Amino acid sequence: DAKTTQPPSMDCAEGRAANLPCNHSTISGNEYVYWYRQIHSQGPQYIIHGLKNNETNEMASLIITEDRKSSTLILPHATLRDTAVYYCIVRVFQDRGSTLGRLYFGRGTQLTVWP
Amino acid sequence: DGGITQSPKYLFRKEGQNVTLSCEQNLNHDAMYWYRQDPGQGLRLIYYSQIVNDFQKGDIAEGYSVSREKKESFPLTVTSAQKNPTAFYLCASRLQSLMNTEAFFGQGTRLTVV
Repeated sequence: DAKTTQPPSMDCAEGRAANLPCNHSTISGNEYVYWYRQIHSQGPQYIIHGLKNNETNEMASLIITEDRKSSTLILPHATLRDTAVYYCIVRVFQDRGSTLGRLYFGRGTQLTVWP
Repeated sequence: DGGITQSPKYLFRKEGQNVTLSCEQNLNHDAMYWYRQDPGQGLRLIYYSQIVNDFQKGDIAEGYSVSREKKESFPLTVTSAQKNPTAFYLCASRLQSLMNTEAFFGQGTRLTVV
C-alpha cells in the first residue's frame, strides 16, 4: 500500500473550517484514500473514504486532486470535540489477502480546535 | 447495540507473566485485527484473522499469540517473550466483502508491565 505524508500538527478556531492535507504521491489506481481520527486514549473512528471523486458525509468532506496524489479532509465547522489525531490511509480496493492488515497509519496530524 | 468491546481498559502485570487481552464483536464481522500503539506513534499490526480457526502474523508478531475459535472473539496473549509489552492495544473488526468497508475499533486496552 502507498504511504502517506501529513503535517504533524494543526490548529483551528472553533466554528471555522479545518482543512487537513495529505500527500500520497505513490498511490496506485485501485487504492482508496481513507480518513480515521483518534481521540486521546480511544480507538480510531472512521470518517470518510474515496477513490477519485470528492465525497461528503455528515462528518466531513474529502477532496481528492485530479492526479490523486493528494487529498484534503474538510471539517466544515470544527468544534472542540473534533480535537484529535487524524490519520490519512490508503488501501487496496479488493478484499483479498491482508489489505487492511497492511494499512500504514503513520503518525497522523494532531488537530487542536481552540475556543 | 452492535459493537466491538475490549476488556479490560487498564491492565497491570508483573514482568515475566503472560497476559490475555479480550476482544469481542457482535457485528458479525469476518475479519479481526490487533494493533499496538506506542506514545506518539501510529498503529502497528500484530496479528489478524480473516476467518475462524485461521490467523496470520502482522508486522510485529514476535512475543504475541492469538486464537480465533469463534467468529465473535479474537483474544491476544502477550507472552513473557515480548521485550517491551507496555503499550496501548487496539482491536478492530471489519466485514469482508468485495465492497470497501471500514474497520471498527474497540476502545483499547492500556497494558502496563512493571
